[in-house]
Amino acid sequence: DIQMTQSPSSLSASVGDRVTITCRASQSISNYLNWYQQKPGKAPKLLIYAASSLQSGVPSRFSGSGSGTDFTLTISSLQPEDFATYYCQQSYSTSYTFGQGTKLEIK
Amino acid sequence: QLQLQESGPGLVKPSETLSLTCTVSGGSISSRSYYWGWIRQPPGKGLEWIGSIYYSGSTYYNPSLKSRVTISVDTSKNQFSLKLSSVTAADTAEYYCARQESRIGFGEYGVVFDPWGQGTLVTVSS
Repeated sequence: DIQMTQSPSSLSASVGDRVTITCRASQSISNYLNWYQQKPGKAPKLLIYAASSLQSGVPSRFSGSGSGTDFTLTISSLQPEDFATYYCQQSYSTSYTFGQGTKLEIK
Repeated sequence: QLQLQESGPGLVKPSETLSLTCTVSGGSISSRSYYWGWIRQPPGKGLEWIGSIYYSGSTYYNPSLKSRVTISVDTSKNQFSLKLSSVTAADTAEYYCARQESRIGFGEYGVVFDPWGQGTLVTVSS
């Protein structure tokens, strides 16, 4: 299986901050990388697909970049509703795997 | 607007078989554009893909669960189902169903899971 490692595991930030979350794959996955947001008690929601494409309806303050093994999710100006857990997911291999998650908390 | 809803027992005994159904509304499960998947999340932990199915019945599974998993589809009811045999406490999790779509590449590659059902908690305990 392709292992996905996110960093940091948790992050404290303030409203208005710029935040970056990193996801690293154990082997090259081209741009077959997605990002999801999960709020407590809710199902994950797709934010970014193909490493950098914004899902319809997702605010433009979210952006993704990267290719190969290293990827980032950036939130340009944190809003109160952005405090959640974020997961990356690879679909380069048909044994799909997720990162362990990054919990974004209010400072 | 497509919606998915999981249903099934919330409590299963160890060594028995977990059975869940996902009902799709607002769209057809027989669409050639999509697969349909199951993903689970143990309490307080991360996400694990279980397996996926096409409307034709073609399936593929997580290798770590393959020996215990069966996913099937009933196009007449617009439903797909999950069976996980010989469960243990380690199978306690929130189980989600989701639509799976290839956004790059084709078929089983470059896929996203969107939308998801609300999830159902299954506890394995005697």
